[in-house]
Amino acid sequence: QQQVKQSPQSLIVQKGGISIINCAYENTAFDYFPWYQQFPGKGPALLIAIRPDVSEKKEGRFTISFNKSAKQFSLHIMDSQPGDSATYFCAGSNTGKLIFGQGTTLQVKP
Amino acid sequence: EAGVVQSPRYKIIEKKQPVAFWCNPISGHNTLYWYLQNLGQGPELLIRYENEEAVDDSQLPKDRFSAERLKGVDSTLKIQPAELGDSAVYLCASSFGGTNTEAFFGQGTRLTVV
Repeated sequence: QQQVKQSPQSLIVQKGGISIINCAYENTAFDYFPWYQQFPGKGPALLIAIRPDVSEKKEGRFTISFNKSAKQFSLHIMDSQPGDSATYFCAGSNTGKLIFGQGTTLQVKP
Repeated sequence: EAGVVQSPRYKIIEKKQPVAFWCNPISGHNTLYWYLQNLGQGPELLIRYENEEAVDDSQLPKDRFSAERLKGVDSTLKIQPAELGDSAVYLCASSFGGTNTEAFFGQGTRLTVV
């Protein structure tokens, strides 16, 4: 019941395209859903996060869409750039304990 | 403001040897986490501290792993003895805690057990 399932495992997008990563969770007690970006050799860095009382949150080129009834949420990266090439992790949290998805490796081709 | 600081960045040890990792969280952050990240996987929680108290250590293999957070600031994670399967990146993170669960991660310590 603690799992967060993430897809796809890898994604290749052309520069300027839209990258979409999906996550599904099981624990309805989760009250915080962050997305982290991780570059090789670095720790994960918080990108954007949402709470279940809203359906969408946008920060610059990054948007989280949240569907509480389906227990799903997704990250959309608009106008994807080569600098966005990294591994992205979704997570769910309850009482401060983050449960991470398996990660999506994004490659943005010039 | 400095972020979460971890040391060492890299460590290579022989199996059955002990090893320790150190973490200095962001100033003012009451919650400290140790995560394990295997290659190609998401981080997995080992232990979470609220100030000096370990509030979630259910995933910590207590037969060989131990952790402490003296004075509610810095923390150390120890493995004794290390096994080949312990090779991974050990990440420390911190947050203000309470309803603020925004966690900031350090760069991690990459452990290789040979």
